[in-house]
Amino acid sequence: QQQVKQSPQSLIVQKGGIPIINCAYENTAFDYFPWYQQFPGKGPALLIAIRPDVSEKKEGRFTISFNKSAKQFSLHIMDSQPGDSATYFCAASRVPVGSGSRLTFGEGTQLTVNP
Amino acid sequence: EPEVTQTPSHQVTQMGQEVILRCVPISNHLYFYWYRQILGQKVEFLVSFYNNEISEKSEIFDDQFSVERPDGSNFTLKIRSTKLEDSAMYFCASGGTGRNSPLHFGNGTRLTVT
Repeated sequence: QQQVKQSPQSLIVQKGGIPIINCAYENTAFDYFPWYQQFPGKGPALLIAIRPDVSEKKEGRFTISFNKSAKQFSLHIMDSQPGDSATYFCAASRVPVGSGSRLTFGEGTQLTVNP
Repeated sequence: EPEVTQTPSHQVTQMGQEVILRCVPISNHLYFYWYRQILGQKVEFLVSFYNNEISEKSEIFDDQFSVERPDGSNFTLKIRSTKLEDSAMYFCASGGTGRNSPLHFGNGTRLTVT
């Protein structure tokens, strides 16, 4: 019930392509859905987040699409660049993390953007 | 920009030894966390800490683990008797008090138990 499933495990696109990473969750009590970007040797860094009261959120080249009925959400990266090559994690929490709640992470997607 | 700092960056220890991983959270944050990431696997929650006590812990966080905020700035994770399977990257994180206050992660401590 606490799991977050992420796919694909790895993804290779050409520069300018639009990689899409998908996540699915089981626990309907999840209330906050962030995406984290992680470069080698670094900690995860928040990229963008969404609450279930909206179906889409866009920040720069990053867009989250959220389907509450299907319990799925996805990350789209527009006009991808080689500098976007990193591991991306989706996550979910039951209450906003500002209240000390745990984040449950997906398995991660290793994205490679070729020049 | 303020950041979460962790020391050491890499710790090698022998099985059965005690280790203390140290973190300095962002100064005005009130919620503190430890997560771990076994090589090639997902990031897993260990424990959250607020107002000088544990607010939530996972099934991973057994009696071998403890956390402490010994002063106004440091936040530590102690593993009393390390096992081989404790080898992982350990991330400290801190968060503010806002409803959508994001977590800020440190760069981690790589723990290798031999």
